[in-house]
Amino acid sequence: GESVGLHLPTLSVQEGDNSIINCAYSNSASDYFIWYKQESGKGPQFIIDIRSNMDKRQGQRVTVLLNKTVKHLSLQIAATQPGDSAVYFCAEIPNQAGTALIFGKGTTLSVSS
Amino acid sequence: DTGVSQNPRHKITKRGQNVTFRCDPISEHNRLYWYRQTLGQGPEFLTYFQNEAQLEKSRLLSDRFSAERPKGSFSTLEIQRTEQGDSAMYLCASSFGLVEFFGPGTRLTVL
Repeated sequence: GESVGLHLPTLSVQEGDNSIINCAYSNSASDYFIWYKQESGKGPQFIIDIRSNMDKRQGQRVTVLLNKTVKHLSLQIAATQPGDSAVYFCAEIPNQAGTALIFGKGTTLSVSS
Repeated sequence: DTGVSQNPRHKITKRGQNVTFRCDPISEHNRLYWYRQTLGQGPEFLTYFQNEAQLEKSRLLSDRFSAERPKGSFSTLEIQRTEQGDSAMYLCASSFGLVEFFGPGTRLTVL
């Protein structure tokens, strides 16, 4: 079936480093993508989103890149902090008419001091 | 706190019992979603309401599951005759546009 997946289940970085979390999607018709952060015992928290007509979008310390040619999405976190430790999910809306998000399996980011 | 709230946060029940969860969305959001999340996995869509109308149901939503949103505000999710495989985190989300905002979830454990 069509799904959003993440390349690495875990990523360990040092505090202050930049982190890059990757995601591959299979549906070329997907129109909208969101990155969520989920801390243990909590619901997913919105980080940043991007539409398919954009290649890049920046937020506070985060940047999302979209490469539609290879159907790849990435989340870059600058100057990673211990508070960034969490599971990160990318999610897609597969078409404009649908509204349910399709999530990948997630990448666990561990930040050590 | 004006975010999505869910109650209870934890529920332990015996197999065969019925359980009901409640979700209170962000007040101006007209869309409400239910997802299920098992350990190590991303959330999986269950069902979606726009105002009081249930517009979409996943095939994951067996006939033991029912969801309501009677006045277009809060929603309930009921699971009848619970099975051990129902053990999961049940997440509620609401939206006005495309971005869905999630609640803290209800963790269900079926013994």
